[in-house]
Amino acid sequence: ILNVEQSPQSLHVQEGDSTNFTCSFPSSNFYALHWYRWETAKSPEALFVMTLNGDEKKKGRISATLNTKEGYSYLYIKGSQPEDSATYLCASRNSGNTPLVFGKGTRLSVIA
Amino acid sequence: DTAVSQTPKYLVTQMGNDKSIKCEQNLGHDTMYWYKQDSKKFLKIMFSYNNKELIINETVPNRFSPKSPDKAHLNLHINSLELGDSAVYFCASSPIEAGLEQFFGPGTRLTVL
Repeated sequence: ILNVEQSPQSLHVQEGDSTNFTCSFPSSNFYALHWYRWETAKSPEALFVMTLNGDEKKKGRISATLNTKEGYSYLYIKGSQPEDSATYLCASRNSGNTPLVFGKGTRLSVIA
Repeated sequence: DTAVSQTPKYLVTQMGNDKSIKCEQNLGHDTMYWYKQDSKKFLKIMFSYNNKELIINETVPNRFSPKSPDKAHLNLHINSLELGDSAVYFCASSPIEAGLEQFFGPGTRLTVL
């Protein structure tokens, strides 16, 4: 069974701080790694989908990297703002008709 | 203009009843999913349909039956509701089953009394 771990579970940062969190997943039979941003009372929104070892993607102040050989991905937020407060989910899937498996998420709170 | 919509948003019902949750996507996607957010806030896949055909059926009780009348709809019917079925259910869709980003609906909060 695919197991996706995220750390830390929660994080409090001051406005303007940069931060990062980790997603780890089994590297064998890897197919894709997803990052989603989930605000309270809303639905998850896709940030990135990465498939290749060494992939780096960026959207505004948020970026992500992928290492499929060692089975981890980092999400970085530069200059955190209060509106970045959300739960950040990562999800991994293996090749074939296998489902996306989500981690428990990292809950980020940015304090003004 | 909602991309993935679910109805109802809230559903409160008695144990033993049968209920349905509807999902529609207007994105032209081929694949649709149902997820359950459990008590520990985990999102777990329940079903995946690709062009109206069942692709993934995780360990879900037989009381849960998805129905896909067409590519744009994936409804979830639940028979003989139990207390443990209380959760938030999310529908999602994606362009192809192979794993491009998924677009989630707003969720349906089901409470079984």
